[in-house]
Amino acid sequence: KAGVTQTPRYLIKTRGQQVTLSCSPISGHRSVSWYQQTPGQGLQFLFEYFSETQRNKGNFPGRFSGRQFSNSRSEMNVSTLELGDSALYLCASRVEGGYEQYFGPGTRLTVT
Amino acid sequence: LAKTTQPISMDSYEGQEVNITCSHNNIATNDYITWYQQFPSQGPRFIIQGYKTKVTNEVASLFIPADRKSSTLSLPRVSLSDTAVYYCLVGDNGGATNKLIFGTGTLLAVQP
Repeated sequence: KAGVTQTPRYLIKTRGQQVTLSCSPISGHRSVSWYQQTPGQGLQFLFEYFSETQRNKGNFPGRFSGRQFSNSRSEMNVSTLELGDSALYLCASRVEGGYEQYFGPGTRLTVT
Repeated sequence: LAKTTQPISMDSYEGQEVNITCSHNNIATNDYITWYQQFPSQGPRFIIQGYKTKVTNEVASLFIPADRKSSTLSLPRVSLSDTAVYYCLVGDNGGATNKLIFGTGTLLAVQP
């Protein structure tokens, strides 16, 4: 069974631009969560989607948004990029009711 | 969600047993204790989860005392490839609230 995939793996953007990241969960997993990892703040929860609905949200500004499609694939969007948005963005999926999260390799976003 | 405290770093040598302790004084009745491992530029990987007493799988053991205010991850006979950051998480992450809170983690450095 294929693991969680994320595209693109690396991205360079300029301040003020917007970016969309994509995540394909493991087949059969309907829950998708997004995390931001930076050296200063560590791993922080962004939001979780289940059956195309946002179920949980972390403490991030409204510039961070996401959505989930009927095939469970998820996208994350960051608008008006700031230098501080440079980070590794991780996506994780799990089966409903399961406790083990399966993480993808991440997308390394650099904002210049 | 209960806050966790773990050592920032630990050093070990190949072949030794490593024990990483995590404190979680405010653990709730419904909370489970979960450990993840993360290598640089990769997503975290689930290691083990437990509720009380002892849990063992093919890679690690998890010891939880009766009061559940702490837990110890035990890695038998570590190798160089076990050098990674280890995160202790506490929460009801198998239920509807799927918001994993990662602490700072413990950087384990295994030397030859």
